[in-house]
Amino acid sequence: NAGVTQTPKFQVLKTGQSMTLQCAQDMNHNSMYWYRQDPGMGLRLIYYSASEGTTDKGEVPNGYNVSRLNKREFSLRLESAAPSQTSVYFCASSGPGGEDAYEQYFGPGTRLTVT
Amino acid sequence: AQSVSQHNHHVILSEAASLELGCNYSYGGTVNLFWYVQYPGQHLQLLLKYFSGDPLVKGIKGFEAEFIKSKFSFNLRKPSVQWSDTAEYFCAVNGISGGYNKLIFGAGTRLAVHP
Repeated sequence: NAGVTQTPKFQVLKTGQSMTLQCAQDMNHNSMYWYRQDPGMGLRLIYYSASEGTTDKGEVPNGYNVSRLNKREFSLRLESAAPSQTSVYFCASSGPGGEDAYEQYFGPGTRLTVT
Repeated sequence: AQSVSQHNHHVILSEAASLELGCNYSYGGTVNLFWYVQYPGQHLQLLLKYFSGDPLVKGIKGFEAEFIKSKFSFNLRKPSVQWSDTAEYFCAVNGISGGYNKLIFGAGTRLAVHP
């Protein structure tokens, strides 16, 4: 079991460029999440997907789009990167039901710098 | 609105000192509570969790936390810290909001343990 994987690990973009962050999980989880982590602010939810085929906005969705490609994969797209999007991005997933639904498992993160 | 407060942003201890990190939350319903740890350069890992039952929960690496419902608190403790405990610690609260399992994180506490 690889758990939650993310690519790339590091990325530098110029303002206005676009990119897609990839996330995949092999735990057969229904729900997947994208967070950003900024110093002193903890993790903030960008978008989530409660199940395959559904996506919803989180706390800080502006400037991002997501795609739940299938049950395993959940991608995050920056259409026109801005310096304010410099951050570390984490993908997470949570299980099908019961107590498993509440515990989230995190990927290794993508460190993105926008210049 | 739900929120999580971690009182200490930075804590510096010597090895063998005792640790207590404060966490308070605001949420009116049934909550599930978590402490996650992020070692330097790594992703978030679950330290311990509380769903129900004994309010004193034990996690990995000698950590424990006590849920005090009347105080809306879930403080993390360890009797004797080690240099390897140097990391950032995040308290998180989970509750149902908008039909999905929403995890709210505190801002984090950076712990530095000196040999």
